[in-house]
Amino acid sequence: QKEVEQNSGPLSVPEGAIASLNCTYSDRGSQSFFWYRQYSGKSPELIMSIYSNGDKEDGRFTAQLNKASQYVSLLIRDSQPSDSATYLCAVANTGFQKLVFGTGTRLLVSP
Amino acid sequence: GAVVSQHPSRVICKSGTSVKIECRSLDFQATTMFWYRQFPKQSLMLMATSNEGSKATYEQGVEKDKFLINHASLTLSTLTVTSAHPEDSSFYICSARVAGSVSNQPQHFGDGTRLSIL
Repeated sequence: QKEVEQNSGPLSVPEGAIASLNCTYSDRGSQSFFWYRQYSGKSPELIMSIYSNGDKEDGRFTAQLNKASQYVSLLIRDSQPSDSATYLCAVANTGFQKLVFGTGTRLLVSP
Repeated sequence: GAVVSQHPSRVICKSGTSVKIECRSLDFQATTMFWYRQFPKQSLMLMATSNEGSKATYEQGVEKDKFLINHASLTLSTLTVTSAHPEDSSFYICSARVAGSVSNQPQHFGDGTRLSIL
């Protein structure tokens, strides 16, 4: 079992729709969770961080964390073509102080 | 804030050449920097954790004699790929965490270095 799992996609949504990206992780000791966006040929950029169960909203983005289910998600409202990218879920265990990345979900937003 | 600069952005060189990549934190001090490698259509794989003033910690399967890491100051870490071969061609990305922050603070990434070995 991979430590951090994501559906590779592509996830295709029309412009203006809500895109839902999901991630599961295997280490119950994980404390910190991050979503990064990576455009083709570029390095990742931080979108959201979440540390507590529940929802965290930032503009069009909402991160959701459920530690009991070992599940973290990212919702993108009013999706735009410029949101088309690969979204990487990253999980950190406090003890190890390093990030483990999922393989990423490719999102395609069509005009 | 939290800008990480990585240089060079692209390298094309012959097999057997050694290549040095620099990673600098421009507006903050970074006790810890991380080096990742990403092959096409794959996720980031951590190669090593670079700690200022001490030896780097390498991930399993990463050859420390091939990938030399130096973290001599709080703002600079370097990765040297020694005697590079075509299989070392990849996208190398560094990241840094603000000095003094606990591990739940996000890492900030450089723009990456695309290394192509002919």
